[in-house]
Amino acid sequence: RKEVEQDPGPFNVPEGATVAFNCTYSNSASQSFFWYRQDCRKEPKLLMSVYSSGNEDGRFTAQLNRASQYISLLIRDSKLSDSATYLCVVTPFNTGFQKLVFGTGTRLLVSP
Amino acid sequence: DVKVTQSSRYLVKRTGEKVFLECVQDMDHENMFWYRQDPGLGLRLIYFSYDVKMKEKGDIPEGYSVSREKKERFSLILESASTNQTSMYLCASSLSLTDLAGGVTYEQYFGPGTRLTVT
Repeated sequence: RKEVEQDPGPFNVPEGATVAFNCTYSNSASQSFFWYRQDCRKEPKLLMSVYSSGNEDGRFTAQLNRASQYISLLIRDSKLSDSATYLCVVTPFNTGFQKLVFGTGTRLLVSP
Repeated sequence: DVKVTQSSRYLVKRTGEKVFLECVQDMDHENMFWYRQDPGLGLRLIYFSYDVKMKEKGDIPEGYSVSREKKERFSLILESASTNQTSMYLCASSLSLTDLAGGVTYEQYFGPGTRLTVT
């Protein structure tokens, strides 16, 4: 079983739509959680961290469900510029040196 | 603004050649990483370094070595390139940040990547 699993998509949505991605992780002791965004042929960049209480940044909302071992990303009012691959990232508990485990990504395509 | 640079965007090498990939960061980060990214497999950690001259194996270190002689520079070496090492190579750096609860949060900053083709 992969440590971090994501639906690869693509998710095709029209502008203005709300879309949500889930990501599951296998290590129940995982400590930190993030969403990174990767544009086509570009490097990944941190989109947002995911906190236990959930957090929001503009149109983006991230949630963590430790009991079910998944994190989610909700994008409201999708823009064309949101088209990208969204990487779910988890830090296992006892690695000691900030090792990140990346999911393979969920591709989002926002159309006019 | 954090900047991570990699020596080449595209590289073509022959099987058996020794290949050097260089990465430089300008933010005085302690931690540096090398990943490869392949379709369907995502990013996989090859090696990382938490200090000068220190290195740790990641998940797929076989066929690779690294060097960190200066804090800002982390090199990935393919001693004898093989076709299965054709991939996108991404370097990253991070400065560990401690959150208020005493845990550790991380943000990694990536370079633009080097697309290596081994023929």
